[in-house]
Amino acid sequence: DVKVTQSSRYLVKRTGEKVFLECVQDMDHENMFWYRQDPGLGLRLIYFSYDVKMKEKGDIPEGYSVSREKKERFSLILESASTNQTSMYLCASSPWGTSSYEQYFGPGTRLTVT
Amino acid sequence: GEDVEQSLFLSVREGDSSVINCTYTDSSSTYLYWYKQEPGAGLQLLTYIFSNMDMKQDQRLTVLLNKKDKHLSLRIADTQTGDSAIYFCAEAGTALIFGKGTTLSVSS
Repeated sequence: DVKVTQSSRYLVKRTGEKVFLECVQDMDHENMFWYRQDPGLGLRLIYFSYDVKMKEKGDIPEGYSVSREKKERFSLILESASTNQTSMYLCASSPWGTSSYEQYFGPGTRLTVT
Repeated sequence: GEDVEQSLFLSVREGDSSVINCTYTDSSSTYLYWYKQEPGAGLQLLTYIFSNMDMKQDQRLTVLLNKKDKHLSLRIADTQTGDSAIYFCAEAGTALIFGKGTTLSVSS
């Protein structure tokens, strides 16, 4: 079974702090994604990566950056956390191939910025 | 632009069938997906359908695809309280585009 893990289930940070959210997948998938999920807005893509050291902006990249130094790990960085970044953050991965959009999700990190 | 639309809420009684509807806009989508999210959890892939199919059945789940109308539906037969969750429709365009999710509430 594909396993996608996220470093924390719940996180509370203060405004202005630098925040790291880590995601690790164990199935050698090329593609990795970061989404945020907010009530009434569904899932919105922040960034994705299709290879080590490669990254592409999604729909809402402002205020975020990412790092992919190893194939299995994709980090989301909030350089200076703000209250409007309070959200559920979901990481996903997928392989290349005809079903490359069949994404496997981690359990999510609920981030609260106070 | 690409957009996936779903109704936000559906309420059914235990034992009834549930039908969750979705419309999408990208006619070139090759795959369409249904994901389920239980409270406090990530998304779990339920089923998917390839765009050259009209129907796919998997135990209690039936997916119907009407390409002409760009309409996708998920039918859950004999709905149980454990089916209570948010269901997301998604289409594979330049990236995976999700609908906002339909919250299914099952009462006993």
